[in-house]
Amino acid sequence: NAGVTQTPKFRILKIGQSMTLQCTQDMNHNYMYWYRQDPGMGLKLIYYSVGAGITDKGEVPNGYNVSRSTTEDFPLRLELAAPSQTSVYFCASTPSGSLYEQYFGPGTRLTVT
Amino acid sequence: AQKITQTQPGMFVQEKEAVTLDCTYDTSDQSYGLFWYKQPSSGEMIFLIYQGSYDEQNATEGRYSLNFQKARKSANLVISASQLGDSAMYFCAMREAIHEDFGNEKLTFGTGTRLTIIP
Repeated sequence: NAGVTQTPKFRILKIGQSMTLQCTQDMNHNYMYWYRQDPGMGLKLIYYSVGAGITDKGEVPNGYNVSRSTTEDFPLRLELAAPSQTSVYFCASTPSGSLYEQYFGPGTRLTVT
Repeated sequence: AQKITQTQPGMFVQEKEAVTLDCTYDTSDQSYGLFWYKQPSSGEMIFLIYQGSYDEQNATEGRYSLNFQKARKSANLVISASQLGDSAMYFCAMREAIHEDFGNEKLTFGTGTRLTIIP
């Protein structure tokens, strides 16, 4: 049972480069989320989606874009990477919008230099 | 204002002792939920325990229990008989609405407590 998978696990980007962080879940969950975790901090919500074709901003959306063309996939796009985007990125999913447990992926560690 | 406050950046505890990790929260909602997650050095987020605001009894999951004091707005995690494998970061989180008009919710996290178990 794969749950929530994320690729890549690690990535180093140069300032100004772009990349897409992949997230896939096989639990048929409608709700998916992207969080970032800065060193020594808790997680903060970047974007979320309530179903295919529907996305919305969280607390810290600047510098990111998302799309949700299928229930399973929720990629996060970084355009013009900046050092401030150095962080660990977690994708998560839940069956509905009312949270009793959120299923997290293993995370992607991104460094922008 | 911080919604979730974890005042202990780090703790050192002798193996087999019990440990309490503090968490206080701030909300005006009547319905809310509190979570504890464990994050080992490998980085993944592991769900430990959940307490709903209307739950009358404190949640328990094996060696984990949540000491929920609603009037004080605290939700401390208690780990009994600590083990070396308990060494990790521990995050308290609260579910809250993303927008007031919709039922969509997100987790708001505290800054975490790094627990180190000493042999």
